[in-house]
Amino acid sequence: EIVLTQSPATLSLSPGERATLSCRASQSISSYLGWYQQKPGQAPRLLIYDASNRATGIPARFSGSGSGTDFTLTISSLEPEDFAVYYCQQRNKWPLTFGGGTKVEIK
Amino acid sequence: EVQLVESGGGLVQPGGSLRLSCAASGITLTNYAVIWVRQAPGKGLEWVSAISGSGDHTYYADSVNGRFTISRDNPKDTVHLQMNSLRAEDSAIYYCARRQSSAWYPTNWGQGTLVTVSS
Repeated sequence: EIVLTQSPATLSLSPGERATLSCRASQSISSYLGWYQQKPGQAPRLLIYDASNRATGIPARFSGSGSGTDFTLTISSLEPEDFAVYYCQQRNKWPLTFGGGTKVEIK
Repeated sequence: EVQLVESGGGLVQPGGSLRLSCAASGITLTNYAVIWVRQAPGKGLEWVSAISGSGDHTYYADSVNGRFTISRDNPKDTVHLQMNSLRAEDSAIYYCARRQSSAWYPTNWGQGTLVTVSS
């Protein structure tokens, strides 16, 4: 199965700062990567699909990039509501797999 | 507004069975592939199973293959996850979601239903 490794595990930033989250795949997955946000006590929400496409209703401060094995989720300027856990997920091959998550916390 | 709602969770003994259901409002679930994802307490996300819109194709994680069965009840516009031979490690919140467009990304997630396997 394809293993997704997210880094860092925790990112401590202040509101207004730029957040850069990484997801690395154990083999090439083309551009078939999604990003999700999960807040405490809530279900995850799809942010980005196919590496760089924002899902419906997702603010423009969220952007995704990458292909092959290395991917990045960037939040250009953190809003208070952006502090959460972020997961990546690949759809290139079954089984679908998720990364272990990056927690973005308030510094 | 699209909403998916899971039901059927609860406390079950090891070796027991549960059937989870996923229903939707705002969409006709029959028109979409459905994905189940689980999350153990304090842990990350784990994909469990998926079913195509037609129901012709089903997919399972190795960890549940042979124990779980996903199915559709189209007249009731519902998707079920039959879970047999449950183990302690199956304890988790189970989420259902619809597939995003034609790509296997879960979207419109439900709020989840808690399954606890314990004696």
